[in-house]
Order: sequence, then structure tokens, then C-alpha cells
Amino acid sequence: GAVVSQHPSRVICKSGTSVKIECRSLDFQATTMFWYRQFPKQSLMLMATSNEGSKATYEQGVEKDKFLINHASLTLSTLTVTSAHPEDSSFYICSAITGRVTEAFFGQGTRLTVV
Amino acid sequence: AQSVSQHNHHVILSEAASLELGCNYSYGGTVNLFWYVQYPGQHLQLLLKYFSGDPLVKGIKGFEAEFIKSKFSFNLRKPSVQWSDTAEYFCAAQPGNEKLTFGTGTRLTIIP
Repeated sequence: GAVVSQHPSRVICKSGTSVKIECRSLDFQATTMFWYRQFPKQSLMLMATSNEGSKATYEQGVEKDKFLINHASLTLSTLTVTSAHPEDSSFYICSAITGRVTEAFFGQGTRLTVV
Repeated sequence: AQSVSQHNHHVILSEAASLELGCNYSYGGTVNLFWYVQYPGQHLQLLLKYFSGDPLVKGIKGFEAEFIKSKFSFNLRKPSVQWSDTAEYFCAAQPGNEKLTFGTGTRLTIIP
């Protein structure tokens, strides 16, 4: 199947700093990418949907100024957690689809710890 | 609200036992259904999916799932589990062309 690479896999940052997470589709062009957040023992919660070249669509309750999403090319989307706080510590996962294919391919996730 | 429920949070089985993980969804119309698996330290992988047609869907690694419309269910089954099946399993539903909604996941632990 198609490969989605997410980097970094783990990151620890100080409170107040910003962290950028990259999501790349390695062998296909991702027209749409999704960013999820997973809390311990809970489900994956969709944060936002991004289409290449346009602004991301955020889910209700997700602060767009805090979680900046850029989808500048068909193979790369980035999530920047700005002014991170300990409550932003979580597991962030991206996924990508291409065209009308509804199967989504997932990155390996990024564990963010804000200290 | 639309939701996906996985009632088994943690299942522990011995090798060779049969497995059934429950999944119920709350959408009334057409829905695509998925089961994903996440092995320790790895990313989510698709096990199987149902869009239409035969309600009994066969996936990779000997897994299958049955779509029962009247029960709004899409339970995952495997007749004989292996130690390597230890993982987290997520059911997901996608009504029409809308976003995927995931269940809370079921942790499966297989005892050798």
C-alpha cells in the first residue's frame, strides 16, 4: 500500500515554544490530508482536513491559530503547534488520501510532550 | 451525534482462541466501514473495508468482518489468533464522502 511518513516520531519541547510536525506521502500525491489527535485510551479525533493549495478546514473546538496547518504541495502537509503548553501533549497522527479513493493511509504518529 | 462504539476496551486471549471484536455505528444511511490495526510502535494499517456488496468481508492476516445492517454492526473476527495479533484495533465509519469517525479502539493481548 501507499506510504505516509510522519516526522518526528517523538518530540519534547518547552512550554511556550512551537513545534512543527511533517507528514509526507512518499509514493503518491495526496490531494487531501487529515490531522488527528489521540489521547490515551481514547479514539482518534479529527482536528482538521487540508487540501493542497487551500486553507485547512478545522473541526469544531480546534483552535486554528494554535494548530497551524500548511499543505503547500501534493506530498507534504505540516502541523505547527504554536506556543505549546503541557495540555497540548498528545499523540498526533496524519493520514492522506488521493483523488476519490476513500482508503486513507496513515503516518506512524508523533508523540508530543510539552514540559 | 454520529458515533462509532467499540465496547471491548481490552481483550486478552490465548493463542489459537477465536476472536470477535464488536463495533457499532450510529449512521442511518449509506456508510463505508473500516477496521484498522496498530501494532506496537507502528502506524495504523487497514485490515479490511466494506463499501457495498457481500456483507462478509475478508481482510489481511485471516481477519474477516460482517456487516449487519439491521444491527448497525461491523464486528471483526478471526478463528484462531496468534501472538503476533497483539495490537490495538480501531473500527471506523465514513458516511457518504464525509470524514472518518473512529471508535475508541480495542487493545488485544494474545498470551502465548
